[in-house]
Amino acid sequence: AQSVTQPDIHITVSEGASLELRCNYSYGATPYLFWYVQSPGQGLQLLLKYFSGDTLVQGIKGFEAEFKRSQSSFNLRKPSVHWSDAAEYFCAVGAKDTGRRALTFGSGTRLQVQP
Amino acid sequence: DTAVSQTPKYLVTQMGNDKSIKCEQNLGHDTMYWYKQDSKKFLKIMFSYNNKELIINETVPNRFSPKSPDKAHLNLHINSLELGDSAVYFCASSQPLGGLTDTQYFGPGTRLTVL
Repeated sequence: AQSVTQPDIHITVSEGASLELRCNYSYGATPYLFWYVQSPGQGLQLLLKYFSGDTLVQGIKGFEAEFKRSQSSFNLRKPSVHWSDAAEYFCAVGAKDTGRRALTFGSGTRLQVQP
Repeated sequence: DTAVSQTPKYLVTQMGNDKSIKCEQNLGHDTMYWYKQDSKKFLKIMFSYNNKELIINETVPNRFSPKSPDKAHLNLHINSLELGDSAVYFCASSQPLGGLTDTQYFGPGTRLTVL
């Protein structure tokens, strides 16, 4: 069974500082990987996804993530955080098989941005 | 243009009542999902339909019954509501590529509070 671990429950960074949110996954083959963001009281918005090819993927709002097969990781990065980035971030894995199309989510990382 | 919409956004009700949450997508996708987000923000799949056919039914009490009148709609009916049903329920849709997982687009969520 697939699983996702986000080791950091809560992260606080200063505005303008760089950010890295960690995500580790467990899956028997190369997975489909996603990062979603949830602002307070809002739904989930897709930031970026990895299916295959280039292991460094670019997303919206200046975010990027790097797939590292050897470390089973898909960490999310941003070089300079803005106050509007404060939100909950979810990493998710999708199975590459026909029987199960649902996403398995990590427990989320809450990002707080200090002025 | 709302891609995935849910109604209502908020639902407050008494224990023992029966309620429904509606979901509609205008993306032309074949697959729709219901996820539950608990008070700790953990997201878990409940059901998935592909072209009105149930393909995922996780371990969910049979008080929960999804209904898909057509591939653009997936409603969730809950009988005999319990306190533990209080959560945010998210609808999502995707267009699988050759049967494989593709990007899921989420609705804004329905916050259900059972008193």
